[in-house]
Amino acid sequence: DAKTTQPPSMDCAEGRAANLPCNHSTISGNEYVYWYRQIHSQGPQYIIHGLKNNETNEMASLIITEDRKSSTLILPHATLRDTAVYYCIVRAYNNNDMRFGAGTRLTVKP
Amino acid sequence: KAGVTQTPRYLIKTRGQQVTLSCSPISGHRSVSWYQQTPGQGLQFLFEYFSETQRNKGNFPGRFSGRQFSNSRSEMNVSTLELGDSALYLCASSLRFSTDTQYFGPGTRLTVL
Repeated sequence: DAKTTQPPSMDCAEGRAANLPCNHSTISGNEYVYWYRQIHSQGPQYIIHGLKNNETNEMASLIITEDRKSSTLILPHATLRDTAVYYCIVRAYNNNDMRFGAGTRLTVKP
Repeated sequence: KAGVTQTPRYLIKTRGQQVTLSCSPISGHRSVSWYQQTPGQGLQFLFEYFSETQRNKGNFPGRFSGRQFSNSRSEMNVSTLELGDSALYLCASSLRFSTDTQYFGPGTRLTVL
């Protein structure tokens, strides 16, 4: 079973920041937070991951709370092509068994 | 660097048949994981292979099996197909099975009639 909780859907205006929340209150000390997205039933695309520090890459930023029980994925300037289902996953350091939940369907509107 | 490739992309079979799907990981990646995605159950982990050995296995019946070759390419097989096996089958590769990020292929869409 997935160890994360995400809102089923969100809307965002094009050009604005999209902030996608995720709760993972039972996360263990050796578990990372991963974010993937999936567009039109293509293979999931890796976005970003982190352990306890905030992370940023060319796609997004990941903000993890100090107690690690929740996190937020930030797409700084959402475009129409960012419309997708976004999955938040917790994954142990040495385990490739990633449990995907239902994700958040983000719709970016013009 | 080329991404994960899966063949075939689409497949139609009938109940009772068997099917073999193929996955070529990113060059240098040694771990391959397989997932099944259906509208009702979402993305579910099938199994993971590393260095030709199955390391982890999800909660699927024995009709689902896999193997990995010395070049890290992997195949999964489903025997005695059922209607419920219709799904998108995804393969993901990573360098090792530790913290390395998994990169997914485009998937094989299997339809069982």
